[in-house]
Amino acid sequence: AQRVTQPEKLLSVFKGAPVELKCNYSYSGSPELFWYVQYSRQRLQLLLRHISRESIKGFTADLNKGETSFHLKKPFAQEEDSAMYYCALRRKDSSYKLIFGSGTRLLVRP
Amino acid sequence: DAMVIQNPRYQVTQFGKPVTLSCSQTLNHNVMYWYQQKSSQAPKLLFHYYDKDFNNEADTPDNFQSRRPNTSFCFLDIRSPGLGDAAMYLCATSRAPQKSYNEQFFGPGTRLTVL
Repeated sequence: AQRVTQPEKLLSVFKGAPVELKCNYSYSGSPELFWYVQYSRQRLQLLLRHISRESIKGFTADLNKGETSFHLKKPFAQEEDSAMYYCALRRKDSSYKLIFGSGTRLLVRP
Repeated sequence: DAMVIQNPRYQVTQFGKPVTLSCSQTLNHNVMYWYQQKSSQAPKLLFHYYDKDFNNEADTPDNFQSRRPNTSFCFLDIRSPGLGDAAMYLCATSRAPQKSYNEQFFGPGTRLTVL
């Protein structure tokens, strides 16, 4: 069965510290992976997707098929990065289904 | 701004009393989704519409139904809400996946309380 695991419910760091939000997945095929973010009092929105290999707001994520991971990283955290982060997997078949992890709350302290 | 709108933002109902949640979109997207999200859990897909085609998830209870009268609107009906149905309900939309990377655009959610 497909599954997305985010082992940390809460990650607290100081401003300027590096951040790594962990995401592991299980999927027998070739997945598409995404990071969605929800800032306080805002809706869930796409942050980045692995296929684009982009950096958004200083965040990057590399798909490691050997370790089945898609960790989200930022070298220097900012207070405005505080939010709920969800890793999601999309099956590459006729299903449109996104499978979400349970999320990690990132708290960046001043 | 093109967006996904959910009404109401907060809904209180009584145990067993039918309730309908509403979602509308101005994005003209083909696909509309309904997710249930309980506290500290992942959003869980209940069903989705691709145009008029309804796709139910295998583990979605029969108590949950949906209607999509036109491209812009989609409704979630809970026929007999139980205490376990109290949750945040998220509506999302996307273009047909074969034309995009399937970014989903979410509404703000409706928080349902069952008394």
